[in-house]
Amino acid sequence: AQSVAQPEDQVNVAEGNPLTVKCTYSVSGNPYLFWYVQYPNRGLQFLLKYITGDNLVKGSYGFEAEFNKSQTSFHLKKPSALVSDSALYFCAVRGDTGRRALTFGSGTRLQVQP
Amino acid sequence: EAGVAQSPRYKIIEKRQSVAFWCNPISGHATLYWYQQILGQGPKLLIQFQNNGVVDDSQLPKDRFSAERLKGVDSTLKIQPAKLEDSAVYLCASSLLRTGDTEAFFGQGTRLTVV
Repeated sequence: AQSVAQPEDQVNVAEGNPLTVKCTYSVSGNPYLFWYVQYPNRGLQFLLKYITGDNLVKGSYGFEAEFNKSQTSFHLKKPSALVSDSALYFCAVRGDTGRRALTFGSGTRLQVQP
Repeated sequence: EAGVAQSPRYKIIEKRQSVAFWCNPISGHATLYWYQQILGQGPKLLIQFQNNGVVDDSQLPKDRFSAERLKGVDSTLKIQPAKLEDSAVYLCASSLLRTGDTEAFFGQGTRLTVV
């Protein structure tokens, strides 16, 4: 079985400060990891993915994520937060064997204060 | 490139009634997914199609939910009869390939309220 844990329901950060949204996973085989963002009344938008290679992956809107195999983590980061980054963020995983659909975490609400 | 289209955007029905949702995936995308997102939770897979065949429907409540993807393009998801706990956003997604490294693209969803 595959699963994702997002331990924080909400993360608050001041505009201009760095942000981190945490994600840990469990999967059989090698993981494929994804981050999505959801704005109010909108569908999920793809941000970035880790498949293989460099542990630091860069994505849309200045976001990046660091894959750590030993800690089974894939934390989302941004060096300088914007108010417009305020949204709901979902981490998702699928393995390279067995079930191929994405399994999502419960989501973390990011609130960036001006 | 046009995105995943879903309709309707909103639907309110009484319990025990039936409802259907429609999805048109991105052109050329062979894989189509239906997810259920209950308020405050992450999306949960209901069913996955590869072209017009079902790949995974292990979490679909088959006593009341059904889905089809005729001709391997559009898809419909039906609930009959609806229960109060079916109130959720139903998200359709598609991806180019079935392989695990391909991201899925999501529609805006259909918000269902069962009263």
